[in-house]
Amino acid sequence: DQQVKQNSPSLSVQEGRISILNCDYTNSMFDYFLWYKKYPAEGPTFLISISSIKDKNEDGRFTVFLNKSAKHLSLHIVPSQPGDSAVYFCAARFGNQFYFGTGTSLTVIP
Amino acid sequence: GAVVSQHPSWVICKSGTSVKIECRSLDFQATTMFWYRQFPKQSLMLMATSNEGSKATYEQGVEKDKFLINHASLTLSTLTVTSAHPEDSSFYICSSRPGLENSVVSYEQYFGPGTRLTVT
Repeated sequence: DQQVKQNSPSLSVQEGRISILNCDYTNSMFDYFLWYKKYPAEGPTFLISISSIKDKNEDGRFTVFLNKSAKHLSLHIVPSQPGDSAVYFCAARFGNQFYFGTGTSLTVIP
Repeated sequence: GAVVSQHPSWVICKSGTSVKIECRSLDFQATTMFWYRQFPKQSLMLMATSNEGSKATYEQGVEKDKFLINHASLTLSTLTVTSAHPEDSSFYICSSRPGLENSVVSYEQYFGPGTRLTVT
């Protein structure tokens, strides 16, 4: 049972525009959410996180929004750059475990 | 950020042989290490959690006798795929979590670059 879902397997955005990646989860006990960026044949690298007690966290071009009532979080990247092209995973923490979504492949078109 | 290395990065082995994958945290002591497996176009699936000096905790459906995990030191964990079969071909990724810092548990985990296993 997939507790963390990313329903869009891919997304294409023009350079300079906003990229919005979405993530839905089912377990209301998750208390910490993270976004990871992954290039092919490499391990994920941490991007940004948000605690369940907040609804927004911003770090430079990256902003994560959390809507607990909808069990939904999103990652906004603005402005998008070609180097942002990668697979983005959202993850949720419960206890000692992290649960990952299936990833969204972002392509930023120059 | 913290550095986690994996060795080898890619290994090809014959069916029936065993393969050992190493995961090292290079600049911090990792009290907890995680092993994940990723199939193409699928999510990272947690296989097991290992704590230094104790037995690993395996996720449901993961054969502990097939995927042997050893976390002998605070900087090294190994995953041994025993009697590998073609269906074990996958991308294996480890991650490490630092220990207590100023009495605050660090929830962040740092991933290794992954190991691609191909079993022929």
